[in-house]
Amino acid sequence: DTGVSQNPRHKITKRGQNVTFRCDPISEHNRLYWYRQTLGQGPEFLTYFQNEAQLEKSRLLSDRFSAERPKGSFSTLEIQRTEQGDSAMYLCASSSQTYSDGTEAFFGQGTRLTVV
Amino acid sequence: RKEVEQDPGPFNVPEGATVAFNCTYSNSASQSFFWYRQDCRKEPKLLMSVYSSGNEDGRFTAQLNRASQYISLLIRDSKLSDSATYLCVVIIRGGSYIPTFGRGTSLIVHP
Repeated sequence: DTGVSQNPRHKITKRGQNVTFRCDPISEHNRLYWYRQTLGQGPEFLTYFQNEAQLEKSRLLSDRFSAERPKGSFSTLEIQRTEQGDSAMYLCASSSQTYSDGTEAFFGQGTRLTVV
Repeated sequence: RKEVEQDPGPFNVPEGATVAFNCTYSNSASQSFFWYRQDCRKEPKLLMSVYSSGNEDGRFTAQLNRASQYISLLIRDSKLSDSATYLCVVIIRGGSYIPTFGRGTSLIVHP
């Protein structure tokens, strides 16, 4: 395990379809984050897991979005009834809770979603 | 007001120049600070952590000013390969320790 893995790397879907992305974090990392990034912007936080528990969700995460991390390992992000505004890069990151403060997060290569 | 603010640039500098970026944060409970580098259409990668006493890594120097709530990144002797977007990241003490990103500053180093 050399890093965070995301798939697919690219996804083109028609408006109204559902899509699901997968993230495999670094194996010993208990924290997992999902971000969304659009052109010219920094990554925007969507949701966060510590082990299998989803501890925080952004207001950006509408009810069409759902994320899971069933066994505290890999995670999935599903978008239902996609809209053109969902087109973005979806980034997954993981980190360990080695210290009491935050430690660096390692990112996957992202899934680029295009809704047509 | 955004939690983490950066000048998007672009900063256009010649090779060999020294360039500095600032990043301001709004939450005084911010505890951990990082600079990430992001190349075009790639994922962000950690460039360096920012420590209270300031720290240096080769041509890169990071500093933290808690009183004024900003961090800075100084790049000396710029190389063409330094061209990228530099993202400021802040983690707030307590709660979920979620990394919060600025929008990034674009650097273009030209010959």
